[in-house]
Amino acid sequence: EDQVTQSPEALRLQEGESSSLNCSYTVSGLRGLFWYRQDPGKGPEFLFTLYSAGEEKEKERLKATLTKKESFLHITAPKPEDSATYLCAVQGNLIQGAQKLVFGQGTRLTINP
Amino acid sequence: DGGITQSPKYLFRKEGQNVTLSCEQNLNHDAMYWYRQDPGQGLRLIYYSQIVNDFQKGDIAEGYSVSREKKESFPLTVTSAQKNPTAFYLCASRRADSTYNEQFFGPGTRLTVL
Repeated sequence: EDQVTQSPEALRLQEGESSSLNCSYTVSGLRGLFWYRQDPGKGPEFLFTLYSAGEEKEKERLKATLTKKESFLHITAPKPEDSATYLCAVQGNLIQGAQKLVFGQGTRLTINP
Repeated sequence: DGGITQSPKYLFRKEGQNVTLSCEQNLNHDAMYWYRQDPGQGLRLIYYSQIVNDFQKGDIAEGYSVSREKKESFPLTVTSAQKNPTAFYLCASRRADSTYNEQFFGPGTRLTVL
């Protein structure tokens, strides 16, 4: 069974203090690992897709990396507007042709000014 | 603007009532999904549909029903058989092209049982 575990559950940083969020996964044949950002009371916003170990993607202050067992979302010099819950999801082998995602429980990030 | 819309934003249900949540997309996506989000838990898949007039149960389908009569629309009915329906419901869609696996989400509907 595909599983995703995110850590820490919550992280509080000062503005400008860089850190990383972790997403550990077990999956039968990784077809993609996805990062989303979710603001309170809103739907998740797509950030990145990573397909193979060693791949990296960047967007503004965020950089996502992937190994065979985990992914990291690095946040460099964060600003208060980066405060949100960050969700990680994986897609394993197709089941009856369906591309289903399995989500972690999320990391709630708070950036204090 | 292309996107996914969900309505209503807030919905209140009395015990024993069925309610229907709307999800519409104008992205020309083939696949559509319904998820449920509870505090401290990951998103859980309720139902999904890869083409019109076809849909499959997800991990927590009991007490829910769906239809897919049009490519653009995938409504979810929460029936009285769903024992704990209070949650945040999210609709998502995805292109059928296998190069693009990411799902895009709507703004959500918060359902509360009175």
